[in-house]
Amino acid sequence: GAVVSQHPSWVICKSGTSVKIECRSLDFQATTMFWYRQFPKQSLMLMATSNEGSKATYEQGVEKDKFLINHASLTLSTLTVTSAHPEDSSFYICSARRDRLEQFFGPGTRLTVL
Amino acid sequence: KQEVTQIPAALSVPEGENLVLNCSFTDSAIYNLQWFRQDPGKGLTSLLLIQSSQREQTSGRLNASLDKSSGRSTLYIAASQPGDSATYLCAVHNTDKLIFGTGTRLQVFP
Repeated sequence: GAVVSQHPSWVICKSGTSVKIECRSLDFQATTMFWYRQFPKQSLMLMATSNEGSKATYEQGVEKDKFLINHASLTLSTLTVTSAHPEDSSFYICSARRDRLEQFFGPGTRLTVL
Repeated sequence: KQEVTQIPAALSVPEGENLVLNCSFTDSAIYNLQWFRQDPGKGLTSLLLIQSSQREQTSGRLNASLDKSSGRSTLYIAASQPGDSATYLCAVHNTDKLIFGTGTRLQVFP
């Protein structure tokens, strides 16, 4: 149990376009999901916390108008990178919290902006 | 602000060696600590989770200890194998967030 999926697993887009990444908890309900970003050979940095039915909470330095997060149901959160630029190229990973203390991670999405 | 550091940053060893990876954190008010494995270009695989009230957890050849008062955790890998090659991340859970360490890149060669 406790499987989290992400779609797509990789995406290449042109600069200026928007890209949507989906995060789904397949076998449990998650009131809270998290979005992380990872640059090559670096650790995961939390971008935002997504709560079902309410606005996401963004970490300091993360532009909320650029990284739009929607958590419309207990099993789905989406991250939209708006007007993507090459510096947004990164590995994006989501996680879903099943209970108070443990998060389960998706396989990640590799975004490349040309 | 919680900061999590891992030492060493990289490690290359012959197979069969017993290894110790270190993780330190600055704020001891944590709910739990978790060790993950990440293969290149892949997501995270949870290895061990230690609750704040626990001292250690074991799974197969892996043993993780936690000393909350000193802000330290160690991951012990016994009889390392080439398949253990990956990046190992520790993460502490406090204030509803997971804060990740800097990672240790491990290479085990035959």
